[in-house]
Amino acid sequence: ETGVTQSPTHLIKTRGQQVTLRCSSQSGHNTVSWYQQALGQGPQFIFQYYREEENGRGNFPPRFSGLQFPNYSSELNVNALELDDSALYLCASSLVGSGDTQYFGPGTRLTVL
Amino acid sequence: GENVEQHPSTLSVQEGDSAVIKCTYSDSASNYFPWYKQELGKRPQLIIDIRSNVGEKKDQRIAVTLNKTAKHFSLHITETQPEDSAVYFCAASKSNGGYNKLIFGAGTRLAVHP
Repeated sequence: ETGVTQSPTHLIKTRGQQVTLRCSSQSGHNTVSWYQQALGQGPQFIFQYYREEENGRGNFPPRFSGLQFPNYSSELNVNALELDDSALYLCASSLVGSGDTQYFGPGTRLTVL
Repeated sequence: GENVEQHPSTLSVQEGDSAVIKCTYSDSASNYFPWYKQELGKRPQLIIDIRSNVGEKKDQRIAVTLNKTAKHFSLHITETQPEDSAVYFCAASKSNGGYNKLIFGAGTRLAVHP
């Protein structure tokens, strides 16, 4: 068991709504990365947070935003949901200086109707 | 742009046979190459990783090889077992001691038949 947890497990929203997903990093880890995994595809990097700041972003629009808290947990917020946002959202935690190995949480399955 | 290609997309073997999955990356600055196993409905699980200063790494029945000149790396599973059945993802990143963006391949669905 890696220790990374995510909530909720599943979520159903309608187009135009907003959603917040949560991630608790593994004990001792200070970096959280978020990925979107569409059905049948590999995870796509959304962004990464370190020391409560976004320190890297993939090819996702600004309506995808995030936060990292002093305890290193993190939130992913998505505004103005679109049908194509339906996916498994994964967070991964790692420790800077430890080799950057990323350990994934179980994911949140988001369905947009 | 950054890209990782993975082949084959599906692989079917008999129990006890070997399985090989190959990946090619585009960014020559990539220096970290993990492999993840994802069972249906579960999280990606790190099974082995390799860094650019090493050509090969083994862990029991699993091995990874890296050819930096050709920009490709491979996963080798020997003596396959039914519980090895899953989707396997390769990834590449250019770790710089802080920012570490993993670029994933599209995945290989491995089926091991008893």
